[in-house]
Amino acid sequence: DVKVTQSSRYLVKRTGEKVFLECVQDMDHENMFWYRQDPGLGLRLIYFSYDVKMKEKGDIPEGYSVSREKKERFSLILESASTNQTSMYLCASSPGTSGRARGDEQFFGPGTRLTVL
Amino acid sequence: QKEVEQDPGPLSVPEGAIVSLNCTYSNSAFQYFMWYRQYSRKGPELLMYTYSSGNKEDGRFTAQVDKSSKYISLFIRDSQPSDSATYLCAMTTDSWGKFQFGAGTQVVVTP
Repeated sequence: DVKVTQSSRYLVKRTGEKVFLECVQDMDHENMFWYRQDPGLGLRLIYFSYDVKMKEKGDIPEGYSVSREKKERFSLILESASTNQTSMYLCASSPGTSGRARGDEQFFGPGTRLTVL
Repeated sequence: QKEVEQDPGPLSVPEGAIVSLNCTYSNSAFQYFMWYRQYSRKGPELLMYTYSSGNKEDGRFTAQVDKSSKYISLFIRDSQPSDSATYLCAMTTDSWGKFQFGAGTQVVVTP
């Protein structure tokens, strides 16, 4: 089974702090994604990566950056956390090249609930 | 206007009833349509996957896609309390697997 793990389930930070959210997948997937999930808004894509050291902006990249130094690990960075970044953050991965023709199933981690005070 | 519209609910049904969920979308380039189920405090998991128009059945679940109307549906027959969850529709074109999600519909099946 594909396993996507996230470093923390719950996190509380203060405004202005630098925040790192870590995601690791164990199935050698090419694609990795970071979403945030808010009530009434569903999942919104922040950044995604289709290869090591490659990244693309999603729909709401402002205030975030990402890092993918190794294939299995994709980090989301909040350079200076703000209260409007309080949310559930979900990481996902998908096979990539082998499955691209069918749009790729995305496998999700359990999420990190981040509260910024 | 959002690309994908989904009623957030909650939708409450008695055990054994049929649950009917739907999403509408505006981008005619979407080719792949998915339904994810998300239990409380968990990440979403893929439930149904459909390419282009048509129906797909898997046990108690049926997914329908009507591309001419830009409308997709998910039906759950003989609903069980264990079906209580949030159901998210998702769709994508055939490039990069970048999905657009609906807001999710919360379903509550009461015994």
